[in-house]
Amino acid sequence: GAVVSQHPSWVICKSGTSVKIECRSLDFQATTMFWYRQFPKQSLMLMATSNEGSKATYEQGVEKDKFLINHASLTLSTLTVTSAHPEDSSFYICSAREPGPKTYEQYFGPGTRLTVT
Amino acid sequence: DQQVKQNSPSLSVQEGRISILNCDYTNSMFDYFLWYKKYPAEGPTFLISISSIKDKNEDGRFTVFLNKSAKHLSLHIVPSQPGDSAVYFCAASATGTASKLTFGTGTRLQVTL
Repeated sequence: GAVVSQHPSWVICKSGTSVKIECRSLDFQATTMFWYRQFPKQSLMLMATSNEGSKATYEQGVEKDKFLINHASLTLSTLTVTSAHPEDSSFYICSAREPGPKTYEQYFGPGTRLTVT
Repeated sequence: DQQVKQNSPSLSVQEGRISILNCDYTNSMFDYFLWYKKYPAEGPTFLISISSIKDKNEDGRFTVFLNKSAKHLSLHIVPSQPGDSAVYFCAASATGTASKLTFGTGTRLQVTL
């Protein structure tokens, strides 16, 4: 099956600093990637849809200036949490969709645990 | 507004028996449904999916049933195995939404020996 990686798997940063999270599709080209966040014991909430070569589409309530998304190639999307605050601490997960007929199935990365102190 | 709901936060089933996980949705535009399995601190793993043109899809021990009129789907696992213990999320998508998935709140399945 399709493999998606994320880096780093966990990160601790100080309040006010920025953190970049990478999402890579390892064995397929992903024209579309998605970024989610999950709070403890809650569902996955879609933050934004990242399309290669174009601007990301953000969900309602997600600050685009705070969560910068760049999808520079068909295998890499990055999420940068700018000026992080403790309330940004969460589990961030990316997913990628293979081109083709099975366009609904998304393959998820292992997630990144962000802790802002 | 939670468009996809899993009303049972947890379920305990004995090994070898059937596990039935339920999911309800409110958005009638949803036409594709998926089940994912998730372990702590890992990303979800795709299990099985079903299109709204079907009412049943089977893959090995996993079967998903869809009742469109009731806006309800269920995942059956038979027989249940200890390795099935995880959190299960149902997700839904609608045509024309760029394959965006709306996830349910999850059900933690514990398969006991």
